Amino acid sequence: NAGVMQNPRHLVRRRGQEARLRCSPMKGHSHVYWYRQLPEEGLKFMVYLQKENIIDESGMPKERFSAEFPKEGPSILRIQQVVRGDSAAYFCASSIQRQTDTQYFGPGTRLTVL
Amino acid sequence: DQQVKQNSPSLSVQEGRISILNCDYTNSMFDYFLWYKKYPAEGPTFLISISSIKDKNEDGRFTVFLNKSAKHLSLHIVPSQPGDSAVYFCAASDSWGKLQFGAGTQVVVTP
Repeated sequence: NAGVMQNPRHLVRRRGQEARLRCSPMKGHSHVYWYRQLPEEGLKFMVYLQKENIIDESGMPKERFSAEFPKEGPSILRIQQVVRGDSAAYFCASSIQRQTDTQYFGPGTRLTVL
Repeated sequence: DQQVKQNSPSLSVQEGRISILNCDYTNSMFDYFLWYKKYPAEGPTFLISISSIKDKNEDGRFTVFLNKSAKHLSLHIVPSQPGDSAVYFCAASDSWGKLQFGAGTQVVVTP
């Protein structure tokens, strides 16, 4: 029973390029969450999605960042025109239901912007 | 606005002794609390959780205590083992499901 999968594990981009991070939730999980961990900080919520719907994007920067969770395929976190401050570890988590249900995390994607 | 706080950035404990990690929160709407363990370059691993209707939950060597009136929870690990050396994050969830994390406590278990 595979856990949450994220790829790539490491991603290097130059300033101004686009970054695409993918997340496949655990089997049977229809809720996906994205979190970001900046160096020396805790994890910060970015966005919560169900299949084909964004439920809560209150933690996501208004510009350059977008997320989707299509009917088929993985969830995608997209960062356009990356800047050095986007360098961080991005974690995806999934759960069966929201609210009082445990979120299980993937290994993360470490984005480095040169 | 940090709604979940772990005021101890690090904790050193001897193998076999008890590790006590503390966490405070400010939002009374939080109704579900979790502890995660994280090794470098890996994702957080779920350890134990507690609902706001309970004051204690136990799972093997891990026990979480919740004091709602004080808005405080703690994680007890007993006995501590070398493999417990990691960063521990406290997290809280409201009815919408998103987690608010503390800054983490680095635990080092010494022989």
